[in-house]
Amino acid sequence: NAGVTQTPKFRVLKTGQSMTLLCAQDMNHEYMYWYRQDPGMGLRLIHYSVGEGTTAKGEVPDGYNVSRLKKQNFLLGLESAAPSQTSVYFCASSLPYSNQPQHFGDGTRLSIL
Amino acid sequence: EDKVVQSPLSLVVHEGDTVTLNCSYEVTNFRSLLWYKQEKKAPTFLFMLTSSGIEKKSGRLSSILDKKELFSILNITATQTGDSAVYLCAVGIIQGAQKLVFGQGTRLTINP
Repeated sequence: NAGVTQTPKFRVLKTGQSMTLLCAQDMNHEYMYWYRQDPGMGLRLIHYSVGEGTTAKGEVPDGYNVSRLKKQNFLLGLESAAPSQTSVYFCASSLPYSNQPQHFGDGTRLSIL
Repeated sequence: EDKVVQSPLSLVVHEGDTVTLNCSYEVTNFRSLLWYKQEKKAPTFLFMLTSSGIEKKSGRLSSILDKKELFSILNITATQTGDSAVYLCAVGIIQGAQKLVFGQGTRLTINP
């Protein structure tokens, strides 16, 4: 019973490199989200998706792109990594009803040197 | 701007004590308030509150929401070392989809 799975768990990048974080969920959830968590700031929403083929910007979208080609997967891309993007990234998913909580993956710790 | 503020930011108590964690909010399009527990990795869901004055309980944990005063509390009685974690408060708002606005979290440490 995997729930929400994020890969990779850790990554170190150099400034200017690109990478893609993968989120996969097996709960048949319509909605998926990407957050970043920084010390003292809680979790902040980067992008989200309400269904296959649709994405929208969250609170802090600059420097990130996303794609939702399949319902179960949500990809977060960094085209040109910057040190300010050093963070822990969490993916979450939920059913499309306001009385349903979001379920989180274990996170990806990303360091940009 | 939607805002969620938790207090205290850090709390250290002895095993067996009772603790109260606070969460106040100022948001548009309020739908729900959620509490999560975060140990090493994924935040895990504790409670969702949508109505004022109705306490939710799960074992030694309980929570209540006051929609007039815009706050919620999370109580933990007879604390155990396994309760040590960061407790996150989040408010669900509707803007196209249900989004969560998180507070900074309260780091709770239970000493034996």
